[in-house]
Amino acid sequence: AIRMTQSPSSLSASTGDRVTITCRASQGISSYLAWYQQKPGKAPKLLIYAASTLQSGVPSRFSGSGSGTDFTLTISCLQSEDFATYYCQQYYSYPRTFGQGTKLEIK
Amino acid sequence: EVQLVESGGGLVKPGGSLRLSCAASGFTFSSYSMNWVRQAPGKGLEWVSSISSSSSYIYYADSVKGRFTISRDNAKNSLYLQMNSLRAEDTAVYYCADHSYMDVWGKGTTVTVSS
Repeated sequence: AIRMTQSPSSLSASTGDRVTITCRASQGISSYLAWYQQKPGKAPKLLIYAASTLQSGVPSRFSGSGSGTDFTLTISCLQSEDFATYYCQQYYSYPRTFGQGTKLEIK
Repeated sequence: EVQLVESGGGLVKPGGSLRLSCAASGFTFSSYSMNWVRQAPGKGLEWVSSISSSSSYIYYADSVKGRFTISRDNAKNSLYLQMNSLRAEDTAVYYCADHSYMDVWGKGTTVTVSS
């Protein structure tokens, strides 16, 4: 199975900050990577697929990059509603695997 | 409106069975692969199983292989997960989601395995 490793596991930031979350795959997955946002008690929400394609309706302050084994999610100017947990997921092969999550908290 | 609605969760004793359902609406269900993903209390997301649009291809996580069975009924726009031999570690919120990258999710149904 492909292991997805996110860093950091948690992150404290302030409104207006630029933050970057990293996701590393244990083997190459081309661009078959998605990013999700999850708030407590809610289902995950797709932010980005194909490593860098913004899902319809997602604010442009979210962006993704990378291919192969190394990927990043960047939030350019944090808003209050962005404090949540973020997950990466590979869909290159089965079993599908998620990163362990990055909890973004208010500083 | 594109929507997925899970049902069938509940409290079950270890070794018991449950059948989860996921009703789809607002999109062409028969065109998409579907997935079950779970989240144990306070933990991250865990992929459970996937089924292709025509049910030709089915995949399971090792943790549920041999105990869970995924199926779908395209005529009824519905996805199912038959869960047998349930264990305490199967306790989780179970979500259905569509596509390889999961752009539509249900709100989840809670499964609790406890004596």
